[in-house]
Amino acid sequence: DIQMTQSPSTLSASVGDRVTITCRASESIGRFLAWYQQKPGTAPTLLMFAVSTLQSGVSSRFSGSGSGTEFSLTITGLQPDDFAAYYCQQYKSYPLTFGGGTKVAI
Amino acid sequence: QVQLVQSGAEVKKPGSSVKVSCEATGGDLSRYAINWVRQAPGQGLEWMGGIISVYNTVNYAEKFQGRVTFTADESTSTFYMQLSSLRSDDTAIYYCARTIRQFDWQFPSDYWGQGTLVTVSS
Repeated sequence: DIQMTQSPSTLSASVGDRVTITCRASESIGRFLAWYQQKPGTAPTLLMFAVSTLQSGVSSRFSGSGSGTEFSLTITGLQPDDFAAYYCQQYKSYPLTFGGGTKVAI
Repeated sequence: QVQLVQSGAEVKKPGSSVKVSCEATGGDLSRYAINWVRQAPGQGLEWMGGIISVYNTVNYAEKFQGRVTFTADESTSTFYMQLSSLRSDDTAIYYCARTIRQFDWQFPSDYWGQGTLVTVSS
């Protein structure tokens, strides 16, 4: 199985900050990477796929980059609604696997 | 607008089985993969596999092979996940989720059910 490792596991930030979350794959996954946001008590929501393609309705404050084994999610101008957990997911091969998550907290 | 509505919380004994339903409204989901993902309390997400009902084909993560069964009732647009031989570490929220592209499990998911908490306890 492809292991996905996210860092940091927790990130303290303030409204207006620019934050970056890193996701590393145990082997090359090309650009088959997605990012999700999850708020407490709710299901995950898809932010972007294919590394950097924003899902419909997602703010352009979210951006993604990377390829192969190193990826990042950047949020610019952090808003109160952005405080949540974020997960990366590879869909290059089965089983689809997720990173352990990054909690963005105040 | 696609909506996935899941059945309510369950409490089960170790060794028993649970069947979670996921009713789809707002579109024909038979050509999409409906994946099942679980999340243990305070933990990350785990893909269990999925079903494409128009082909009646399933794809199970190896970890769950032999214990999980995905089915679909196209007449009611309802998908089911049955997990047997339950253990305490199966305690989790179980989500159904639609992939963003048709005919393949190997895509991210854009529509998710609200989740069903399954608690396994003696």
